[in-house]
Amino acid sequence: AQRVTQPEKLLSVFKGAPVELKCNYSYSGSPELFWYVQYSRQRLQLLLRHISRESIKGFTADLNKGETSFHLKKPFAQEEDSAMYYCALSEGGATNKLIFGTGTLLAVQP
Amino acid sequence: DTAVSQTPKYLVTQMGNDKSIKCEQNLGHDTMYWYKQDSKKFLKIMFSYNNKELIINETVPNRFSPKSPDKAHLNLHINSLELGDSAVYFCASSQSLGGYTFGSGTRLTVV
Repeated sequence: AQRVTQPEKLLSVFKGAPVELKCNYSYSGSPELFWYVQYSRQRLQLLLRHISRESIKGFTADLNKGETSFHLKKPFAQEEDSAMYYCALSEGGATNKLIFGTGTLLAVQP
Repeated sequence: DTAVSQTPKYLVTQMGNDKSIKCEQNLGHDTMYWYKQDSKKFLKIMFSYNNKELIINETVPNRFSPKSPDKAHLNLHINSLELGDSAVYFCASSQSLGGYTFGSGTRLTVV
């Protein structure tokens, strides 16, 4: 069955430190993977999609099919990065259903 | 202009009541969704409509009934509310693969 795993519930780092939010997936086909961010009491927003290979707010994520991972990275964390981050996998097709991981709360300390 | 808007933002109600949450999108997207975010922040899909047709119906109690009068609207009606229904409900829409636009959520508290 399709599954997205985010092993860390909470990741606490100091401002300026590197950040890596882990995401692993299981999917039988070719995955479409995304990172969504939810700032405190706000709506979820699309941060990255792997097919775009873009960098948003300094974040990047590379799809590693061998390790079935899509980790989110940023070289220098900022306090405004503090938020809940969700990795998600799209089943595509007619439903375009998104399966979310359980989320990782990133807390950037001053 | 808000792309996906939900009303109400907060809803506090007693057990056993019936309530509705409304969602509207002005993006011209064909597909709309309802997700539930529980107290542990876990997000799970409930329903999806594509052009007014139900295409995803996860294992959700039949007290929950979605209604899509047109492709810009997807409402969620909940009968006989229970304490366990307390959560944040997010509406979303999409056109392209995985590119969801979410509403700001409706925080439902059942007392």
